[in-house]
Amino acid sequence: AQSVTQPDIHITVSEGASLELRCNYSYGATPYLFWYVQSPGQGLQLLLKYFSGDTLVQGIKGFEAEFKRSQSSFNLRKPSVHWSDAAEYFCAVLPGGNEKLTFGTGTRLTIIP
Amino acid sequence: DAGVIQSPRHEVTEMGQEVTLRCKPISGHNSLFWYRQTMMRGLELLIYFNNNVPIDDSGMPEDRFSAKMPNASFSTLKIQPSEPRDSAVYFCASSKTGGFYEQYFGPGTRLTVT
Repeated sequence: AQSVTQPDIHITVSEGASLELRCNYSYGATPYLFWYVQSPGQGLQLLLKYFSGDTLVQGIKGFEAEFKRSQSSFNLRKPSVHWSDAAEYFCAVLPGGNEKLTFGTGTRLTIIP
Repeated sequence: DAGVIQSPRHEVTEMGQEVTLRCKPISGHNSLFWYRQTMMRGLELLIYFNNNVPIDDSGMPEDRFSAKMPNASFSTLKIQPSEPRDSAVYFCASSKTGGFYEQYFGPGTRLTVT
């Protein structure tokens, strides 16, 4: 079955440390890939997206993500997190055509001083 | 520029009452989406419109749910009658491209049905 998986429900990182959030998908072909962030009490905001081309994509707020076809992954990274990065992060996939956007279950990020 | 506007931000109602959630998309966007977010089911797409026309309502859970988009700047999601299991955060999103490629989400309406 087609799916998107975020294996980490909750991650805690020290401020200033690096971050990697995992996302794996299971689709026949390479879908369009997205990362969204949801701050407490807010709607979702698009961080970055991958459609084709360079497999390392840059987004807003200093985030980047790397598409790895061989691993069916699209992991989100940030070299040094800030306290304001505490939020929930959602990976999403769009298979293409007339398919709908499907969200992962989310990873909650906690930042400790 | 104003983002997607949703009202009310919070709604508490009793079981059996009618609930209407409202959304104003970003001006110039021609696609509008309604999502529901719960702890158990995560983010679910309920319905989406292109150019005010409903394209896919397969995510609408039951006939108690209905959505309209009478014009390009306004949409409603109505639940009648409401039930406690409808308690969730409902998000509206819009996009310019006529698809799912870059959606802008509103702040959501937190609905509590007692």
